Amino acid sequence: KAGVTQTPRYLIKTRGQQVTLSCSPISGHRSVSWYQQTPGQGLQFLFEYFSETQRNKGNFPGRFSGRQFSNSRSEMNVSTLELGDSALYLCASSLVGTATDTQYFGPGTRLTVL
Amino acid sequence: QKEVEQNSGPLSVPEGAIASLNCTYSDRGSQSFFWYRQYSGKSPELIMSIYSNGDKEDGRFTAQLNKASQYVSLLIRDSQPSDSATYLCAVNGRANFGNEKLTFGTGTRLTIIP
Repeated sequence: KAGVTQTPRYLIKTRGQQVTLSCSPISGHRSVSWYQQTPGQGLQFLFEYFSETQRNKGNFPGRFSGRQFSNSRSEMNVSTLELGDSALYLCASSLVGTATDTQYFGPGTRLTVL
Repeated sequence: QKEVEQNSGPLSVPEGAIASLNCTYSDRGSQSFFWYRQYSGKSPELIMSIYSNGDKEDGRFTAQLNKASQYVSLLIRDSQPSDSATYLCAVNGRANFGNEKLTFGTGTRLTIIP
């Protein structure tokens, strides 16, 4: 079974621009979560989608948004990029996103904001 | 107090010895606990999950959970150089809207010395 895929793998943007990242979950998985990973803060939860609905949201500003499509693929968007948005963005999928569900991570998108 | 705390290390262990990684968490209602391994430049991969008090063994890995003391640990027996990585402890908890989310510790960097 194919794993979680993320595109693109690397991105370089400048401040003020916006960016869209894509995530395709494991086949049959309906829950998709997004995380930001930085050396100083570690893995921080952004949001989680299930059946095209955002169920959970972390403590990030409104510049960070996302959506999920009917095939469970998900996108996240960051508008008005800031230098501090440089990070590894990870997507993880699970069957239905319950407490005992295992989350499987994609390879991540490395975003650099100049 | 952070929700999930880990010693950041680095933790150096001789090859063949037992590596012991610890994690404490603040939410007494947490039910699910996970250990992920992350190699430099790669995404996290699941090693163990544990839901009940006691020990759970899988090959060279043993996860230990003590809910009364709110800690979870990971033991790696017969440590190999390939075990050198950052180990992330993850605990389920309640997100803003009452649904489940995973909270990660900042990770412990483990180095196995040949």
